[in-house]
Amino acid sequence: NAGVTQTPKFRILKIGQSMTLQCAQDMNHNYMYWYRQDPGMGLKLIYYSVGAGITDKGEVPNGYNVSRSTTEDFPLRLELAAPSQTSVYFCASRGTGGSGEYYEQYFGPGTRLTVT
Amino acid sequence: QQPVQSPQAVILREGEDAVINCSSSKALYSVHWYRQKHGEAPVFLMILLKGGEQKGHDKISASFNEKKQQSSLYLTASQLSYSGTYFCGTEPGDYKLSFGAGTTVTVRA
Repeated sequence: NAGVTQTPKFRILKIGQSMTLQCAQDMNHNYMYWYRQDPGMGLKLIYYSVGAGITDKGEVPNGYNVSRSTTEDFPLRLELAAPSQTSVYFCASRGTGGSGEYYEQYFGPGTRLTVT
Repeated sequence: QQPVQSPQAVILREGEDAVINCSSSKALYSVHWYRQKHGEAPVFLMILLKGGEQKGHDKISASFNEKKQQSSLYLTASQLSYSGTYFCGTEPGDYKLSFGAGTTVTVRA
């Protein structure tokens, strides 16, 4: 199992450009998440998905969009990049079991994005 | 609403102990603990579920007081490999974790 993979690892964008951060998992997890982590800070939830075709906003969704057409993939789209979006972006996935079963979140290696 | 972690940072010598606290204003179903090394992704340590269960992982253990909505992570006989930033993630039962700002642990020889 590759676990959670993210591409690219690094990216520099100019203000106003757009890009898509890719995330894939091969563990057949229902739940997938996008977080951003600013320097010296904790993780903030951008968007999450409970399964293919179902997505919802987290704490800081402005400036981002997501889609989930398959169980495996959960891309994050940045439209009109701004310097405030300079951050490290982590994708994560989590399995769900029967009633009362709670499982850990697995994180991808992250994408370091700089907007100048 | 994000949980509050304390202290923000702690410096230890090898073999010393430390406690990291995490508190939430919301009713919680579970608390997750992660460790992150510089430039890497967070790595899962343990989950504590409602019920006040204490867990252990080598010389790292944790407790969860559901009445107070607080969790504590205990680092015992610290090793150099324990250095990193520790995050608690709290969850009311909706599969969405809110993370604290982190506690940076530095273990020196």
